[in-house]
This record gives sequence, structure tokens and C-alpha cells, in this order.
Amino acid sequence: SQQGEEDPQALSIQEGENATMNCSYKTSINNLQWYRQNSGRGLVHLILIRSNEREKHSGRLRVTLDTSKKSSSLLITASRAADTASYFCARYSGAGSYQLTFGKGTKLSVIP
Amino acid sequence: NAGVTQTPKFRVLKTGQSMTLLCAQDMNHEYMYWYRQDPGMGLRLIHYSVGEGTTAKGEVPDGYNVSRLKKQNFLLGLESAAPSQTSVYFCASRKESRLAKNIQYFGAGTRLSVL
Repeated sequence: SQQGEEDPQALSIQEGENATMNCSYKTSINNLQWYRQNSGRGLVHLILIRSNEREKHSGRLRVTLDTSKKSSSLLITASRAADTASYFCARYSGAGSYQLTFGKGTKLSVIP
Repeated sequence: NAGVTQTPKFRVLKTGQSMTLLCAQDMNHEYMYWYRQDPGMGLRLIHYSVGEGTTAKGEVPDGYNVSRLKKQNFLLGLESAAPSQTSVYFCASRKESRLAKNIQYFGAGTRLSVL
């Protein structure tokens, strides 16, 4: 079963606006990762946040993690048309696990 | 540097036919994975391998078999294709290293239709 769930399922914004996507999970994590998938392509890793971190930045990306609420958010600032893609959070299922569990994703559309 | 390469990119099968999807990685990664992605869904793990000669079942293994005879290759087989196996298949790999932070690298996908 998929234990990472993103919200909203779809998001449409104007270029230049900020986009925020949320992810919830059910069990403990070592780290949580965000991936991007452009239409018809494979997934690309964006950013990873460890369980002992609260916030992390990478360029226009900002990720927060609240382990008490078992949730994470991905903020894309000053969005561009090229940011149009689906975004997935993912985590490994338990200590020592080899399996990365993905949510259903948020489909982001940035309108020029 | 090609990364993860999947062949073929597209395939149409008739129910009951068999086929093999090939995944090749040139990053010397120990772990390899096969996922399927259906419309509106995230990725679901079919099988994975933690090293040459070893494989394990994921979340949705039924109807699929895998083999990892060489470290750089991971094959996914469908012995008797069914319409329910119509999907996009992704292969991924990652290094066995804490420094690598368990990041997975994905291929471009194989789009399979079973009629």
C-alpha cells in the first residue's frame, strides 16, 4: 500500500506564483525525499530531508518536515512554466528497508 | 554517462504473449528496482535486487519474474501477459552507501499495452 500521500492532487498556478505541496505518511522515517516527473519521463530526485532536520533549501525549493505530525511540504518559489510536472514524496518503509514507497503525487501546472 | 537505460520504450502485446524488459545501469549501483505506474497513481514496486544473483518481491509481484545475472542488468519478465499489466514500467538503481542517501535514479520508462 502507498503510505505517502500528497495534497492537493492537482494544482494550477500562474507563472511567478509560489506552489506548495504537502505530503503525509504513517510510520517513522529516516529521511523523506521529493521527486519530480515530467510528462512521459522518469522520476528525478529533487531534495532529501533527514528526520532530524526541520527545513532544507535547494535553489527555489524549500522543504519542511514535521515528524510529530508525520508530514512534509514542498514549496517552489517564483514558479516557471518549466516547473510543470508531477511531484512525489517518497520514503523508505522502516529501518534498513530497501523499498521506497511513493505517494500518488501532485500534478502541478504553471501557466505562462 | 547514460545512467539507467530501459529497452524497449514502447511495446504492444496480445494477451498470453510473453516478453522481457531490460534495464541497464552504468553507475555500478548495487541495488536495482522495477516499478509500475498506472494513471493517477504513484509508483508501485514489483521486484527489486540488492545485488547480483539476488532478487526479492515488492508490493505487486504477481505475474512478473526478474533476474539479475549481471550487476549492471535487471530483467523483468512477463510470462503470460494480461490486460491488467498495461502500464508504464520504470527501472531504478541506487548505490549501497549511506553517503549516497538512498537516492534512486530512474530510467525513462517502458510503455506497455496488453490487448
